[in-house]
Amino acid sequence: GQNIDQPTEMTATEGAIVQINCTYQTSGFNGLFWYQQHAGEAPTFLSYNVLDGLEEKGRFSSFLSRSKGYSYLLLKELQMKDSASYLCAVRDSNYQLIWGAGTKLIIKP
Amino acid sequence: TAGITQAPTSQILAAGRSMTLRCTQDMRHNAMYWYRQDLGLGLRLIHYSNTAGTTGKGEVPDGYSVSRANTDDFPLTLASAVPSQTSVYFCASSEGGISTDTQYFGPGTRLTVL
Repeated sequence: GQNIDQPTEMTATEGAIVQINCTYQTSGFNGLFWYQQHAGEAPTFLSYNVLDGLEEKGRFSSFLSRSKGYSYLLLKELQMKDSASYLCAVRDSNYQLIWGAGTKLIIKP
Repeated sequence: TAGITQAPTSQILAAGRSMTLRCTQDMRHNAMYWYRQDLGLGLRLIHYSNTAGTTGKGEVPDGYSVSRANTDDFPLTLASAVPSQTSVYFCASSEGGISTDTQYFGPGTRLTVL
């Protein structure tokens, strides 16, 4: 079966750095997405990786290793507004997105 | 631009009743999707449409139907609601046919079936 694994919850301190990991086993791979979802709101797009390596976008970076079935989202200079759930999703061989259950990130002052 | 709108925002429905969740996008996206989101689970695809006039089944299609009469609208119908359909429903759209093909989400409909 297809599976996306992420930690359920993480806690970090304002101003610090946090890394959210995602491992996947899917039938085929056509890209990996990270989304942010604040409580009670819709998911919003953060990043897309299809080739191995690091993609940097401001305070957020996303890394992909296709051979290891692994990605991480790195958030730097954490702000209180970064408290949210972070969803990892992989596009499979049918070009459908398979979603992880999300990682709830709690930022403490 | 409004992006994607969904209606209603929330609804309480008696079991056995029917209901249509509405979704409209103004981005002229080809592809549209319906997901449900339940606590502790990832988003699960119910139905999708790659272009107007076509629809397909996702991971959890039973008890739901969709239509795509035009580019902008993609309604989801529950013919006879059951309590297990209590969930938050998100509609999404994407350009389709490109490698990045990012999905953009509506605000969601919170449905409770009693």
